[in-house]
Amino acid sequence: QVQLVESGGGLVKPGGSLRLSCAASGFTFSDYYMSWIRQAPGKGLEWVSYISSSGSTIYYADSVKGRFTISRDNAKNSLYLQMNSLRAEDTAVYYCARDPMLDYWGQGTLVTVSS
Amino acid sequence: QLVLTQSPSASASLGASVKLTCTLSSGHSSYAIAWHQQQPEKGPRYLMKLNSDGSHSKGDGIPDRFSGSSSGAERYLTISSLQSEDEADYYCQTWGTGYVVFGGGTKLTVL
Repeated sequence: QVQLVESGGGLVKPGGSLRLSCAASGFTFSDYYMSWIRQAPGKGLEWVSYISSSGSTIYYADSVKGRFTISRDNAKNSLYLQMNSLRAEDTAVYYCARDPMLDYWGQGTLVTVSS
Repeated sequence: QLVLTQSPSASASLGASVKLTCTLSSGHSSYAIAWHQQQPEKGPRYLMKLNSDGSHSKGDGIPDRFSGSSSGAERYLTISSLQSEDEADYYCQTWGTGYVVFGGGTKLTVL
C-alpha cells in the first residue's frame, strides 16, 4: 500500500534552517510529481512547492520562494524540503503528498519557529 | 487568478445528507478539482477527483456515501447517511502548471 512518511520537523529559532524528508513506498516514486503542503495551527491548507518526477521542473509558493528548496532522490524514494531563513509564520505541520490530485498524504511533521 | 471559494461551515443531522459547495473563480469553470477530508487532529485524506462534467473517481476505501457532482463553476460533495466520523473539515483543491490551490475549507458539524 502507498505510504508517505515525513520526518525532520522540530523547534528552530527565527533565521534558522531545517531539512524535511518524506520517505515513499508502495508505488513507483519516480513516476510521480510530488508536493509539500503546510498547515499553520488552526488554519487551512497551503501549498508550498512541487517537483516533477525527474526533478527538472520545480515551483514554489511566493511565500517561500528564495528561502525553501525542494528536491528528490528517486533512487532512495525520497522527497526533501530544505528550509532556510525560517520565520515565525513558517510554523506549521508540513505534509508531503502525491501530485497532482494529492491522492496520498503523509501524517505530517511539525515545524515550530520560535525564539 | 484562480480562487476556490467554500462556505466556512455547514451542519446536518446524523443520518441525513449534506451537500458541500466549492466555487471556481470566473474563467475557470472547466477545471477539475479534488476533495479532501481532514478529521480532527488528523492529516488530510483524499476523497475524490471531480471533473467538470460531474464524473468522479474516488480514493481507496472511500465509502459509497460520498459522491460528487458539478454544475458550471460549482463543484459539489454530497455525503449521505451522515455518521459521527464525517464531522471534519473538507477542502477542495485544484492544480495547474506552477500552482496548487486550496479552498478555505468547510467545517462540517454532525448534529
